[in-house]
Amino acid sequence: QTVVTQEPSFSVSPGGTVTVTCGLSSASVSTSYYPSWYQQTPGQAPRTLIYNTKTRSSGVPDRFSGSILGNKAALTITGAQAEDESDYYCVLYMGGGIWVFGGGTKLTVL
Amino acid sequence: QLQLQESGPGLVKPSETLSLTCTVSGDSISSSSFYWGWIRQPPGKGLEWIGSVYYSGITYFNPSLKSRVTISVDTSKNQFSLRLSSVTAADTAVYYCARSWQQLGIYYFDYWGQGTLVTVSS
Repeated sequence: QTVVTQEPSFSVSPGGTVTVTCGLSSASVSTSYYPSWYQQTPGQAPRTLIYNTKTRSSGVPDRFSGSILGNKAALTITGAQAEDESDYYCVLYMGGGIWVFGGGTKLTVL
Repeated sequence: QLQLQESGPGLVKPSETLSLTCTVSGDSISSSSFYWGWIRQPPGKGLEWIGSVYYSGITYFNPSLKSRVTISVDTSKNQFSLRLSSVTAADTAVYYCARSWQQLGIYYFDYWGQGTLVTVSS
């Protein structure tokens, strides 16, 4: 059973920087897993932020960026704003048509 | 603009089969670059990929659900469907349909439906 790990929660001050990570229980995350990131606010469908590790989806502000940090995928928000308070999910493509979602990170901006 | 819309019963009895349909508008479900998937989210919990289908009928499933899941596609109606058998309360969730890129080095979910809540209860 493949497990994708994320920090359960994070807090950031308005204007601050936060990095959410996405790891694998049994391997290092690399670009070969095509990590993508999604933002979800309560009652709404997920919104695509980042795909293929670091490509921003259309209309996503450039304060959101993706990367590989060490052995994990990472989503960094630089200059966090109040509207960034959301749940964030990473997804890894495992190959063979199989996707695995991370458990999600609840971001509080205060 | 691509749109996906889930439809189906909001209440299913335990041990019965959950059935949902996703209607795609704004593009053909037969586009060769894309797969069409189902993702669910139990109340207060995270997202879980259920499975995906290609317009040709090729399917992939979450190993933990594979024994209970059927996903099919109807290109004439531009729809794809989910069937989940032998449901229990643990299958209560918001069910989303979504489109995914799965080729040419691009892999991600780019469009999502609004989601539909399915409750399993007698």
